[in-house]
Order: sequence, then C-alpha cells, then structure tokens
Amino acid sequence: EVQLVQSGAEVKKPGESLKISCKASGYTFTNYWIGWVRQMPGRGLEWMGVIYPGDSDTRYSPSFQGQVTFSADKSISTAYLKWSSLTASDTATYYCARPKYSNFYQDAFDIWGQGTMVTVS
Amino acid sequence: DIVMTQSPDSLAVSLGERATINCKCSQSVLFTSSNKNYLAWYQQKPGQPPKLLIDWASTRESGVPDRFSGSGSGTDFTLTISSLQAEDVAVYYCQQYYITPLITFGGGTKVEIK
Repeated sequence: EVQLVQSGAEVKKPGESLKISCKASGYTFTNYWIGWVRQMPGRGLEWMGVIYPGDSDTRYSPSFQGQVTFSADKSISTAYLKWSSLTASDTATYYCARPKYSNFYQDAFDIWGQGTMVTVS
Repeated sequence: DIVMTQSPDSLAVSLGERATINCKCSQSVLFTSSNKNYLAWYQQKPGQPPKLLIDWASTRESGVPDRFSGSGSGTDFTLTISSLQAEDVAVYYCQQYYITPLITFGGGTKVEIK
C-alpha cells in the first residue's frame, strides 16, 4: 500500500527551530516529487512547494521561499520540512503529499499524509 | 499568481438534490498542445487530509462515486454532486497545477445538508 506517514504534533515557542517528517512506503521514493501543503486553523489549503528526493531538487512557492527548507533522506525514504525560527503565524497543520505521476510535480496530489499539527505559542 | 475564486463559499443542499460548485481562474489553465486543463478537485472532511476526487478537470479518480463530476475548460470550472449524500458533507477545493511554482488552491466551498 502506498502511504505517507507524518511525525506527530508539535508545540514550540517562538524563535525555536523545528523539523517535521514524512515517511514514504509502498513505492520508489526517489521517483516521485513530494509536496508540502499548509492549512492554518479554519483556513484553506496553501501549496508550499515540492522536493524531488532523487536529487533533492526543490521548488518553493514564492510565499514560502526563505521561510522553510525542504530536504529528503533517500536511505530511509523520508522527506522533511524545517523551520529555523518559528513564529506564531506558523501555527497550522502541515501535510505532505505525492503527485500521481512519477518524475512530474505539475500534477494533482493523490496520496496525502495524515498531517502534522504545529502550534507555536 | 493565478487566483482561484470559488463560489459559493458555502451551500446547503437537501439529500438527493444537486450541488454545484464553481471555480474561476484568473488565467487559463488549458495547455493547448495537449488540450488538458490542469485543474483538480479535492474533498476534505473534518480532521482528515484532502482527498483527490477529479484531475484534468473531469477525470474522476478510481473509487470516487459517479455522482461526482467535473466540467469546464480554460478559466471556468464546475464540480457537480448529482445527488447529495450525507457522507458528502465536506469542504471542496479546486487546485490549478498549470503555473509553477505558483500552484494554487481555491478558497474552498463548504457543503452542508439542508
């Protein structure tokens, strides 16, 4: 079964750093982009960007460029989303998701992680 | 940026009746060389991640009931639920994946039972 399993909820203070994870299984991790989507409390979905684990190529939405960092560890089929200094406005649920087709990120996401809730207070 | 405007923000429909959600894009998402519209529809229930219902504007995902259908081209799209069921209560989002890295979602439409 193809699935993405994300790390658990986090509660952090402003200024702290944080790295959340998204572990993939059931498919060849290096052949598909992985995307990140933010959902602030009671709000809609925002596409943050994608990473290609095969070579760590990244594409960031301009809204998130410089605010977060994507990375991936091929050896454990895990993608990461990192903040170096959190603010209260980072409070949200973050989803990782996989596009339908391999080697292609200009695509809809058909596989989603369960979400990681991040609270900064 | 491509701005995706969904309407209405919310709607209440009786069980068995039709629900129609609109999505208007500020630019065309039709790739003319392939004649494909780079538009998807998602359903999100409370506490759950989004679920892909339809991609390429009108291609239903495997396992999605056929009461869900997508239509439209260029800048104007519609998601129709032909006969609303209780389990369809959710928020629905459109998404364009034509312009990168500015892939964007609509603001969402909440569907409830009247």
